[in-house]
Amino acid sequence: DSGVTQTPKHLITATGQRVTLRCSPRSGDLSVYWYQQSLDQGLQFLIQYYNGEERAKGNILERFSAQQFPDLHSELNLSSLELGDSALYFCASSVVPQGEQYFGPGTRLTVT
Amino acid sequence: DQQVKQNSPSLSVQEGRISILNCDYTNSMFDYFLWYKKYPAEGPTFLISISSIKDKNEDGRFTVFLNKSAKHLSLHIVPSQPGDSAVYFCAATFSENSGTYKYIFGTGTRLKVLA
Repeated sequence: DSGVTQTPKHLITATGQRVTLRCSPRSGDLSVYWYQQSLDQGLQFLIQYYNGEERAKGNILERFSAQQFPDLHSELNLSSLELGDSALYFCASSVVPQGEQYFGPGTRLTVT
Repeated sequence: DQQVKQNSPSLSVQEGRISILNCDYTNSMFDYFLWYKKYPAEGPTFLISISSIKDKNEDGRFTVFLNKSAKHLSLHIVPSQPGDSAVYFCAATFSENSGTYKYIFGTGTRLKVLA
């Protein structure tokens, strides 16, 4: 158990809908990262937050947004969903931005 | 532009033998490297790391080697065990001037250890 929790575990929704994925980092970790993994592909970095502020952006679509709240939990919002958005979405946290990341179990999103 | 590459999508090794997983990178700014292991239906877990000031780091059965001139790192697992069967990701990081960190993952290598 990494100490990072993600909810929900599975999500099935229709094209055009909007969903919110939630992540609680390990206690004491200030950095939160979001990744997308499609069909056994590599981990595509989406976005990073550090203590409530956006710190780095990767290949995140404009239809996607995220935020980190004062209690350090984070949410990833995906809107106008398309079939191609079906993927595993991982959240990770770390003590320092360059250090090892601890990953949650992921949310599997299926868009039908 | 894939800055971190794992050119072998899969590798099979006999139990007890050495597993060698390779990773190449293109950006000489990377100064810290990590390996993660991922089992199906789970998130990746951190395995071992190495700073660019070193060329080797060892932790039990796992050793990571870094060749900066070749921009290449490798993970050696000796002896390999069936429980090591997983997907292995390398990752590379560096600090940008703005104080943010680039953290790039490779595409992964699926290791199968045969009993």
